[in-house]
Amino acid sequence: GAVVSQHPSRVICKSGTSVKIECRSLDFQATTMFWYRQFPKQSLMLMATSNEGSKATYEQGVEKDKFLINHASLTLSTLTVTSAHPEDSSFYICSARVSGQLYNEQFFGPGTRLTVL
Amino acid sequence: AQSVAQPEDQVNVAEGNPLTVKCTYSVSGNPYLFWYVQYPNRGLQFLLKYITGDNLVKGSYGFEAEFNKSQTSFHLKKPSALVSDSALYFCAVRDYIKAAGNKLTFGGGTRVLVKP
Repeated sequence: GAVVSQHPSRVICKSGTSVKIECRSLDFQATTMFWYRQFPKQSLMLMATSNEGSKATYEQGVEKDKFLINHASLTLSTLTVTSAHPEDSSFYICSARVSGQLYNEQFFGPGTRLTVL
Repeated sequence: AQSVAQPEDQVNVAEGNPLTVKCTYSVSGNPYLFWYVQYPNRGLQFLLKYITGDNLVKGSYGFEAEFNKSQTSFHLKKPSALVSDSALYFCAVRDYIKAAGNKLTFGGGTRVLVKP
């Protein structure tokens, strides 16, 4: 099946710094990528939908200036957490949908655990 | 708006016994339904999906799910559970209507614990 990678898998940073998380579709082209946030023992909450070559669409309550998303190519989307705070500590998961397959499953990356000190 | 409910936070089952994880959904149009499994500190792995056709869907690792339109349910089942099936299971739905945004909505998750 299709493979989605994320880098880094784990990152620890100080408050006030910015952290970039990369999401890559390794063996397919993804017109649309999704970014989720998951708190411990909770479900995935969609943060934003990223479309290649256009601005991301953010869910209600998600600060677009804090969570910068760039989908520069059909295989790469990045999430940058700017001026990180301890409450931003979470598990971030990206997902990609195969281009042209509107109803098929999304493929998920392994996740990135962010810890802000 | 679309929504998914997984009424059980945790399901405990003995190894070799049948396993059922419940899921009900709500959408405006026809649903696309999915089951995913998550192991600790890992992303989600796809198990199976229902798009159209037979109501009984067979997926990975011996899992299956039955789509019941009248009860708006999509329960996940496995005839004989393994200890290695212990994980967090998510049901998800996407509305067929494009105006809904083609977003996956996840249930709250059900933790499955299979005891030897």
